[in-house]
Amino acid sequence: KQEVTQIPAALSVPEGENLVLNCSFTDSAIYNLQWFRQDPGKGLTSLLLIQSSQREQTSGRLNASLDKSSGRSTLYIAASQPGDSATYLCAVPYSGGGADGLTFGKGTHLIIQP
Amino acid sequence: NAGVTQTPKFQVLKTGQSMTLQCAQDMNHEYMSWYRQDPGMGLRLIHYSVGAGITDQGEVPNGYNVSRSTTEDFPLRLLSAAPSQTSVYFCATRRDSNAWAQYFGPGTRLLVL
Repeated sequence: KQEVTQIPAALSVPEGENLVLNCSFTDSAIYNLQWFRQDPGKGLTSLLLIQSSQREQTSGRLNASLDKSSGRSTLYIAASQPGDSATYLCAVPYSGGGADGLTFGKGTHLIIQP
Repeated sequence: NAGVTQTPKFQVLKTGQSMTLQCAQDMNHEYMSWYRQDPGMGLRLIHYSVGAGITDQGEVPNGYNVSRSTTEDFPLRLLSAAPSQTSVYFCATRRDSNAWAQYFGPGTRLLVL
């Protein structure tokens, strides 16, 4: 059964810092990996999707990398801003008996201090 | 284009009551799924559908029923609510088997007393 782990569980940094969020998964036979953002009391917003054939994806100040062989992905946030405060979730396609859907990590709760 | 909508936003039920959580999408996506999100557990897949008339179980299906009579709608039914079903429920869609990006609704917060 696929398991997804995110480290750290929580992170608080001053505005302007560059930071890295980590995601690891146990089954490397994945088609892709997605990073989501969730604001308090809200739904999930897709940030980046990395296909298994890609090593990284970039969107603005966000850069996500994927290393299937080691079962790891990182989300790099450059020049952090208070508006980046949210919970960040990584997810991979569900691998339990052919079900469609995603297996999620428990998230990293990020606070950017003004 | 509203994307994925869920109703109600918040609901309080008593143990044993039944209710239906609604999910609708206007993107003509084939695939739809339901998740629940609990503190310390993350999001877990309840049921999913790969097209109208086709549904299947996810990781935590017990206590929930689904049906998919149209492409647009994918309701989740609680037949006899239990306190353990207190959670936030999210509906998600993706276009088809060739498109991996998932789109989530705003969620329904359910409290079972």
